Amino acid sequence: KNEVEQSPQNLTAQEGEFITINCSYSVGISALHWLQQHPGGGIVSLFMLSSGKKKHGRLIATINIQEKHSSLHITASHPRDSAVYICAVRRTGNQFYFGTGTSLTVIP
Amino acid sequence: NAGVTQTPKFQVLKTGQSMTLQCAQDMNHEYMSWYRQDPGMGLRLIHYSVGAGITDQGEVPNGYNVSRSTTEDFPLRLLSAAPSQTSVYFCASSPRGGVTKNIQYFGAGTRLSVL
Repeated sequence: KNEVEQSPQNLTAQEGEFITINCSYSVGISALHWLQQHPGGGIVSLFMLSSGKKKHGRLIATINIQEKHSSLHITASHPRDSAVYICAVRRTGNQFYFGTGTSLTVIP
Repeated sequence: NAGVTQTPKFQVLKTGQSMTLQCAQDMNHEYMSWYRQDPGMGLRLIHYSVGAGITDQGEVPNGYNVSRSTTEDFPLRLLSAAPSQTSVYFCASSPRGGVTKNIQYFGAGTRLSVL
């Protein structure tokens, strides 16, 4: 069993739809990260959370420490949001455990 | 600002060959890590370093060596390549402190095939 589980694995949405990607983890963490991997393979960090909620443009990330759960929301989705979204949890020091990713396709 | 630079971008090896994947960062980050990404699996940590001269094993270290002689460079060595090491390799760095503390910055990746 992975320490980090994401759902859904694949997601197709129409442009403009509200999208939610979920991440559950089973270990104690010091922070949770959401990453975006573009079709070309590059990975960028979107958010780092240890509590509450963060917003950046159309992206919103929330975390519930007690329930060991985080969500990434995309409002007014756009084809350029098509990517793989990866949840990662940071344990002690600088060691991360990663989910397998959610592949999002937004259709015009 | 180049960020994290990985070379090469692509490499094909024969079983038993050795090679070094290069990783350099120009952000003066203390932490550096090597990951491999395989289909259907999350990124897995191979080796990491918390500063020059200090390295440690991650989740899947077998068959790989690392060293950290400077803050900037963190090369990954494949001692005797095996087909099981066919993967995409990512190097990442992060600062220990400051506003972007623990945010990871990734290189573009190296796609390695071992025949």
